Amino acid sequence: AAGVIQSPRHLIKEKRETATLKCYPIPRHDTVYWYQQGPGQDPQFLISFYEKMQSDKGSIPDRFSAQQFSDYHSELNMSSLELGDSALYFCASSGGQGRFSGANVLTFGAGSRLTVL
Amino acid sequence: GQNIDQPTEMTATEGAIVQINCTYQTSGFNGLFWYQQHAGEAPTFLSYNVLDGLEEKGRFSSFLSRSKGYSYLLLKELQMKDSASYLCAPRDSGAGSYQLTFGKGTKLSVIP
Repeated sequence: AAGVIQSPRHLIKEKRETATLKCYPIPRHDTVYWYQQGPGQDPQFLISFYEKMQSDKGSIPDRFSAQQFSDYHSELNMSSLELGDSALYFCASSGGQGRFSGANVLTFGAGSRLTVL
Repeated sequence: GQNIDQPTEMTATEGAIVQINCTYQTSGFNGLFWYQQHAGEAPTFLSYNVLDGLEEKGRFSSFLSRSKGYSYLLLKELQMKDSASYLCAPRDSGAGSYQLTFGKGTKLSVIP
Protein backbone atom coordinates (compact mmCIF):
# COMPACT_ATOMS: atom_id res chain seq x y z
CA ALA A 1 0.00 0.00 0.00
CA ALA A 2 1.14 3.53 -0.73
CA GLY A 3 2.57 5.42 2.23
CA VAL A 4 3.35 9.03 3.01
CA ILE A 5 6.43 10.10 1.08
CA GLN A 6 8.74 12.80 2.38
CA SER A 7 11.74 14.39 0.75
CA PRO A 8 14.52 14.98 1.28
CA ARG A 9 15.28 12.43 3.98
CA HIS A 10 18.29 14.39 5.16
CA LEU A 11 19.16 18.05 4.76
CA ILE A 12 22.08 20.09 6.05
CA LYS A 13 21.87 23.88 6.05
CA GLU A 14 23.76 26.82 7.48
CA LYS A 15 22.26 29.35 9.87
CA ARG A 16 20.10 31.98 8.18
CA GLU A 17 19.58 29.79 5.11
CA THR A 18 16.25 28.57 3.76
CA ALA A 19 14.97 24.99 3.52
CA THR A 20 11.96 23.40 1.87
CA LEU A 21 10.54 20.01 2.81
CA LYS A 22 8.07 18.14 0.66
CA CYS A 23 5.32 15.69 1.55
CA TYR A 24 3.18 13.46 -0.66
CA PRO A 25 0.19 12.13 1.32
CA ILE A 26 -1.50 8.80 0.87
CA PRO A 27 -3.82 8.97 -2.16
CA ARG A 28 -7.38 10.05 -1.28
CA HIS A 29 -6.35 11.32 2.14
CA ASP A 30 -7.79 14.79 2.60
CA THR A 31 -5.74 16.09 5.55
CA VAL A 32 -2.00 16.69 5.86
CA TYR A 33 -0.18 17.47 9.10
CA TRP A 34 3.34 18.67 9.85
CA TYR A 35 5.15 17.84 13.09
CA GLN A 36 8.57 18.82 14.42
CA GLN A 37 10.47 16.49 16.75
CA GLY A 38 13.61 17.70 18.47
CA PRO A 39 16.11 15.28 20.04
CA GLY A 40 14.48 13.44 22.93
CA GLN A 41 11.25 15.37 22.49
CA ASP A 42 7.72 14.39 21.54
CA PRO A 43 6.41 15.37 18.10
CA GLN A 44 5.13 18.96 18.21
CA PHE A 45 2.23 19.86 15.94
CA LEU A 46 3.05 22.67 13.52
CA ILE A 47 0.21 23.02 11.03
CA SER A 48 -2.40 21.05 9.10
CA PHE A 49 -4.35 21.36 5.87
CA TYR A 50 -7.75 19.98 4.96
CA GLU A 51 -8.55 19.87 1.25
CA LYS A 52 -5.73 22.33 0.51
CA MET A 53 -6.90 24.89 3.08
CA GLN A 54 -5.11 25.52 6.37
CA SER A 55 -7.22 23.86 9.07
CA ASP A 56 -5.22 24.03 12.32
CA LYS A 57 -2.16 25.92 13.44
CA GLY A 58 0.10 24.83 16.27
CA SER A 59 3.51 26.00 17.41
CA ILE A 60 4.78 26.96 13.97
CA PRO A 61 7.29 29.85 14.05
CA ASP A 62 6.57 32.90 11.92
CA ARG A 63 9.73 32.06 9.94
CA PHE A 64 8.00 28.91 8.71
CA SER A 65 5.20 28.67 6.20
CA ALA A 66 3.41 25.80 4.55
CA GLN A 67 0.93 25.16 1.82
CA GLN A 68 -0.88 22.32 0.12
CA PHE A 69 -1.04 22.24 -3.65
CA SER A 70 -3.69 21.16 -6.14
CA ASP A 71 -2.16 17.67 -6.35
CA TYR A 72 -2.44 17.45 -2.53
CA HIS A 73 1.28 17.44 -1.90
CA SER A 74 2.43 19.84 0.78
CA GLU A 75 5.58 21.87 1.34
CA LEU A 76 7.03 23.29 4.54
CA ASN A 77 9.20 26.33 3.94
CA MET A 78 11.64 27.38 6.64
CA SER A 79 13.58 30.63 6.42
CA SER A 80 16.28 32.32 8.51
CA LEU A 81 17.19 28.93 9.92
CA GLU A 82 18.43 28.74 13.49
CA LEU A 83 20.41 26.04 15.28
CA GLY A 84 17.28 25.16 17.25
CA ASP A 85 15.45 24.24 14.06
CA SER A 86 17.58 21.09 13.82
CA ALA A 87 15.02 18.32 14.20
CA LEU A 88 13.11 15.54 12.52
CA TYR A 89 10.17 16.89 10.56
CA PHE A 90 7.31 14.48 10.05
CA CYS A 91 4.46 14.78 7.66
CA ALA A 92 1.33 12.72 8.26
CA SER A 93 -1.91 12.29 6.38
CA SER A 94 -5.37 11.06 7.28
CA GLY A 95 -8.78 10.71 5.74
CA GLY A 96 -11.66 8.51 4.76
CA GLN A 97 -13.72 8.79 7.96
CA GLY A 98 -15.29 12.18 7.41
CA ARG A 99 -13.57 15.43 8.22
CA PHE A 100 -14.54 15.64 11.89
CA SER A 101 -14.28 12.00 12.76
CA GLY A 102 -11.90 11.29 15.58
CA ALA A 103 -11.26 7.92 13.99
CA ASN A 104 -9.10 9.38 11.25
CA VAL A 105 -5.76 7.66 11.88
CA LEU A 106 -2.66 9.68 11.12
CA THR A 107 -0.16 7.79 9.01
CA PHE A 108 3.32 9.25 9.24
CA GLY A 109 6.04 9.53 6.66
CA ALA A 110 9.60 8.48 7.46
CA GLY A 111 10.56 12.07 8.26
CA SER A 112 13.08 14.61 7.03
CA ARG A 113 16.06 15.20 9.27
CA LEU A 114 17.20 18.81 9.15
CA THR A 115 20.58 19.74 10.56
CA VAL A 116 21.43 23.43 10.89
CA LEU A 117 25.13 24.23 11.31
CA GLY B 1 -5.32 23.10 25.46
CA GLN B 2 -4.54 19.77 27.02
CA ASN B 3 -2.23 18.17 29.54
CA ILE B 4 -0.95 14.68 28.91
CA ASP B 5 0.92 12.75 31.57
CA GLN B 6 2.81 9.49 31.03
CA PRO B 7 5.73 7.90 32.87
CA THR B 8 9.00 8.90 31.25
CA GLU B 9 10.66 5.49 31.31
CA MET B 10 9.79 1.88 32.09
CA THR B 11 11.76 -1.35 32.03
CA ALA B 12 10.29 -4.82 31.70
CA THR B 13 11.51 -8.34 31.05
CA GLU B 14 11.10 -10.25 27.82
CA GLY B 15 7.94 -12.37 27.96
CA ALA B 16 6.36 -10.27 30.69
CA ILE B 17 3.36 -7.92 30.65
CA VAL B 18 3.66 -4.15 31.01
CA GLN B 19 1.02 -1.45 31.42
CA ILE B 20 1.72 2.11 30.34
CA ASN B 21 -0.64 4.67 31.86
CA CYS B 22 -1.72 7.99 30.44
CA THR B 23 -3.83 10.73 32.00
CA TYR B 24 -5.06 13.65 29.99
CA GLN B 25 -7.20 16.76 30.09
CA THR B 26 -8.91 18.09 26.98
CA SER B 27 -11.49 20.79 26.42
CA GLY B 28 -13.32 18.47 24.03
CA PHE B 29 -12.68 14.78 23.45
CA ASN B 30 -12.76 12.96 20.14
CA GLY B 31 -10.86 9.75 20.75
CA LEU B 32 -7.45 8.70 22.00
CA PHE B 33 -4.61 7.14 20.04
CA TRP B 34 -1.53 5.17 21.04
CA TYR B 35 1.48 5.25 18.76
CA GLN B 36 4.78 3.36 18.90
CA GLN B 37 7.97 5.12 17.90
CA HIS B 38 11.39 3.53 17.56
CA ALA B 39 14.30 5.94 17.87
CA GLY B 40 14.75 8.04 14.74
CA GLU B 41 11.73 6.51 13.03
CA ALA B 42 8.17 7.61 12.36
CA PRO B 43 5.40 7.01 14.88
CA THR B 44 3.27 4.03 13.91
CA PHE B 45 -0.38 3.58 14.86
CA LEU B 46 -1.18 1.00 17.54
CA SER B 47 -4.72 1.64 18.77
CA TYR B 48 -7.69 3.98 18.92
CA ASN B 49 -10.32 4.26 21.66
CA VAL B 50 -13.34 6.52 21.59
CA LEU B 51 -15.69 4.65 23.94
CA ASP B 52 -14.95 3.47 27.46
CA GLY B 53 -13.54 -0.01 27.76
CA LEU B 54 -10.85 -2.28 26.45
CA GLU B 55 -9.82 -2.69 22.83
CA GLU B 56 -7.74 -5.78 22.18
CA LYS B 57 -5.47 -6.19 19.20
CA GLY B 58 -3.16 -9.17 19.39
CA ARG B 59 -0.48 -8.66 22.03
CA PHE B 60 -1.53 -5.03 22.50
CA SER B 61 -4.65 -3.79 24.29
CA SER B 62 -5.76 -0.27 25.12
CA PHE B 63 -8.22 0.88 27.74
CA LEU B 64 -10.10 4.15 28.06
CA SER B 65 -12.07 5.83 30.83
CA ARG B 66 -13.39 9.16 29.53
CA SER B 67 -14.80 10.26 32.89
CA LYS B 68 -11.41 9.80 34.54
CA GLY B 69 -9.36 11.15 31.63
CA TYR B 70 -7.36 7.95 31.76
CA SER B 71 -6.04 5.39 29.32
CA TYR B 72 -3.54 2.60 29.42
CA LEU B 73 -1.70 0.49 26.88
CA LEU B 74 -1.11 -3.13 27.83
CA LEU B 75 1.64 -5.06 26.13
CA LYS B 76 1.71 -8.83 26.62
CA GLU B 77 4.41 -11.40 25.87
CA LEU B 78 7.00 -8.68 25.55
CA GLN B 79 9.59 -9.04 22.83
CA MET B 80 12.92 -7.25 22.49
CA LYS B 81 11.55 -5.40 19.43
CA ASP B 82 8.94 -3.78 21.68
CA SER B 83 11.70 -1.55 23.07
CA ALA B 84 10.48 1.84 21.85
CA SER B 85 8.69 4.99 22.95
CA TYR B 86 4.93 4.78 23.35
CA LEU B 87 3.02 7.98 22.73
CA CYS B 88 -0.42 8.72 24.12
CA ALA B 89 -2.36 11.17 21.93
CA PRO B 90 -5.86 12.36 22.79
CA ARG B 91 -7.70 14.16 20.03
CA ASP B 92 -9.00 17.45 21.34
CA SER B 93 -12.07 18.69 19.55
CA GLY B 94 -12.38 21.84 21.65
CA ALA B 95 -12.53 25.19 19.89
CA GLY B 96 -13.01 23.49 16.54
CA SER B 97 -9.54 21.99 16.52
CA TYR B 98 -9.04 18.40 15.45
CA GLN B 99 -5.31 18.15 15.74
CA LEU B 100 -3.59 15.26 17.44
CA THR B 101 -1.31 16.27 20.31
CA PHE B 102 1.23 13.80 21.63
CA GLY B 103 2.33 13.27 25.19
CA LYS B 104 6.04 13.17 25.92
CA GLY B 105 6.02 9.42 25.50
CA THR B 106 7.10 6.51 27.65
CA LYS B 107 10.42 4.96 26.73
CA LEU B 108 10.09 1.22 27.26
CA SER B 109 13.20 -0.92 27.56
CA VAL B 110 12.71 -4.67 27.28
CA ILE B 111 15.54 -6.66 28.84
CA PRO B 112 16.34 -10.38 28.47
